Amino acid sequence: GAGVSQSPRYKVAKRGQDVALRCDPISGHVSLFWYQQALGQGPEFLTYFQNEAQLDKSGLPSDRFFAERPEGSVSTLKIQRTQQEDSAVYLCASSLDRGAGGYTFGSGTRLTVV
Amino acid sequence: DQQVKQNSPSLSVQEGRISILNCDYTNSMFDYFLWYKKYPAEGPTFLISISSIKDKNEDGRFTVFLNKSAKHLSLHIVPSQPGDSAVYFCAASARVGSGGGADGLTFGKGTHLIIQP
Repeated sequence: GAGVSQSPRYKVAKRGQDVALRCDPISGHVSLFWYQQALGQGPEFLTYFQNEAQLDKSGLPSDRFFAERPEGSVSTLKIQRTQQEDSAVYLCASSLDRGAGGYTFGSGTRLTVV
Repeated sequence: DQQVKQNSPSLSVQEGRISILNCDYTNSMFDYFLWYKKYPAEGPTFLISISSIKDKNEDGRFTVFLNKSAKHLSLHIVPSQPGDSAVYFCAASARVGSGGGADGLTFGKGTHLIIQP
């Protein structure tokens, strides 16, 4: 597609429920990033993929967070046993290669944990 | 501890005048800086970037200035237009000698720019 596509746009989860957030990057983009943006804050880095390899997961806040990109294109961010503090907008970004210019962000998934 | 700081949560500027958005950073390893613009319910959109080997980069109405000694950068928008009303994020990364994850960006909290007619 023309841009980075994320689904669902909105997700309401009950505390303790598992959720899966999907990101379709721009075709051919090697690098893929996940960011978490809490209300009133800037995006915070979660994890980075180069093709299918997860090269950095230092930003994942706990072991309840897991990301994968098995075929080097679509990526899924999974959050197990969601907590209220997980409520945020989850942004995916992709770029053609490492650090080349600015990344293209998707519109994000707004997760609300109740 | 915030490594990228945007100390003005909001800024109001009259249409046609210059908008100046400021950003300070603390990590001396940062060597690449970007500005993003964000409308409500959309993802951030890349505006302009600057490498630490430069002190100025210009693209149309947008100019970014970098003062490495002061660890300060600014975004100038001239002339300001109503469509410029948005939240502007400053972001930084440490790319030189980077390992796999160093291309992740560190963002400030953003400045909400309001262009008044």
